[in-house]
Amino acid sequence: SQQGEEDPQALSIQEGENATMNCSYKTSINNLQWYRQNSGRGLVHLILIRSNEREKHSGRLRVTLDTSKKSSSLLITASRAADTASYFCATDAGGTSYGKLTFGQGTILTVHP
Amino acid sequence: EAQVTQNPRYLITVTGKKLTVTCSQNMNHEYMSWYRQDPGLGLRQIYYSMNVEVTDKGDVPEGYKVSRKEKRNFPLILESPSPNQTSLYFCASSFSTGYNEQFFGPGTRLTVL
Repeated sequence: SQQGEEDPQALSIQEGENATMNCSYKTSINNLQWYRQNSGRGLVHLILIRSNEREKHSGRLRVTLDTSKKSSSLLITASRAADTASYFCATDAGGTSYGKLTFGQGTILTVHP
Repeated sequence: EAQVTQNPRYLITVTGKKLTVTCSQNMNHEYMSWYRQDPGLGLRQIYYSMNVEVTDKGDVPEGYKVSRKEKRNFPLILESPSPNQTSLYFCASSFSTGYNEQFFGPGTRLTVL
C-alpha cells in the first residue's frame, strides 16, 4: 500500500521562486527521505530526516517533519530551470521493515526560465 | 566510480519468454532492492535483500524471482513474463538498513508483448 502521498501532483513556477512540496504518510516511521528523478532516469537521494528531527537543511533544500501530523514538506528556494524533475518522498518504517522504503506518487515540478 | 548498473537498459520481449535483468553495485552495500515504476502508481518494491542469501518479498512480488549469491549482484528473474509486467524497473542499494540513502541504477524499460 502507498505510504507517502505527495501534494501537489504537479507544480509550475518561474525561475527564482520557491517551490514547496508536501508529503503525508499513514504509519509511524524511522526516517523519511526525499528523492529527485529526472525524466525516466534513476532516482537521486536529496535528504534524509530522522523521526526525532523537525527540520533539516541542505544547500537550497529545507525539509520539515511533523510526526504528530504525519507529514513532511520539501522547500526548494530560489528555484532554477535545472530543478525541473519529479520529487518523491519515501518513508522507512523501521522495525522489521528496516531499510524498506515506501514511495509516494511524486510531485512533478516544472521551473520556467 | 561508485554506481549501480543494470542490464539491459531496454528490452522488448514476448509473453512467456524467460528473462533476467542484472543488477550490480560496486559499493560493498549489504542492502539491495528492486522496484517497478508505473504511471500513477509511483515506485513499488518487488523484492529486497538484506545480505547474501537473504531475500524477502516486497509489495508486488508476484511473477518475479530474485537471488543473492554474491554481495554485489542481485538479478531479477521473470520466469514467464506477461504484458502486465511492462514497466520501468529500478535496482537500488544501500550500505545497510537503517538511516541510509539508497543509490539507484539507471533503470530498465521492459515491454512484454
